[in-house]
Amino acid sequence: QITLNESGPTLVKPTQTVTLTCSFSGFSLTTSGAGVAWIRQPPGKALEWLGLVYWDDDKRYSPSLRGRLTITKDYSKNQVVLTMTDMDSEDTATYYCAHKRVMVQGEPFDSWGQGTLVIVSS
Amino acid sequence: SSELTQDPAVSVALGQTVRITCQGDSLRRYSANWYQQKPGQAPVLVIYGKNNRPSGLPDRFSGSGSGTTASLTITGAQAEDEADYFCSSRDSSSDHYVFGAGTKVTVL
Repeated sequence: QITLNESGPTLVKPTQTVTLTCSFSGFSLTTSGAGVAWIRQPPGKALEWLGLVYWDDDKRYSPSLRGRLTITKDYSKNQVVLTMTDMDSEDTATYYCAHKRVMVQGEPFDSWGQGTLVIVSS
Repeated sequence: SSELTQDPAVSVALGQTVRITCQGDSLRRYSANWYQQKPGQAPVLVIYGKNNRPSGLPDRFSGSGSGTTASLTITGAQAEDEADYFCSSRDSSSDHYVFGAGTKVTVL
């Protein structure tokens, strides 16, 4: 059974950098085809894909946030870390990490964490 | 990048059938995946690769698609199906992913 759990600060100030951690179990990011994505959702709004990292360390980022995002992985800890710089009030959202596999039709995000709320306010 | 368009809201009588649609150029090339989200909860995958259900999902959920349109159908809607439903696919021009704005389904 795949489980993911996001953690990080709830409150950050404008212009600060936030670091969120996704701790997972039930799969390995050394397995060919595995990936972990980050997705966020502002209160009452739609989901927005942020980026992902694959088993081979290939990374993809949302064009609208490129330059502000960095995704890294730690094989030994079964963790994926999202760093977002220059936080703004518009970045207030629940941040989710999710598992995906390349070889599955549609390549869906098949398991999600419960999400972590990040509020940007001075 | 591509966009996916969904109707904001739809209602269905208990036990009846409802179809939710998703439109976008990326659907010509990539299958849609559908996610259900109830208030205060994380999204849950309900349909992937156009018409595949994760194990354990009721068979009243089904998917279909043609051209630039994908659909999620709930046949015999139950009270617990009341939720927001989001479609998603790969972006047609790159290895990115896009989500629709979501459709709120109300079961009357």
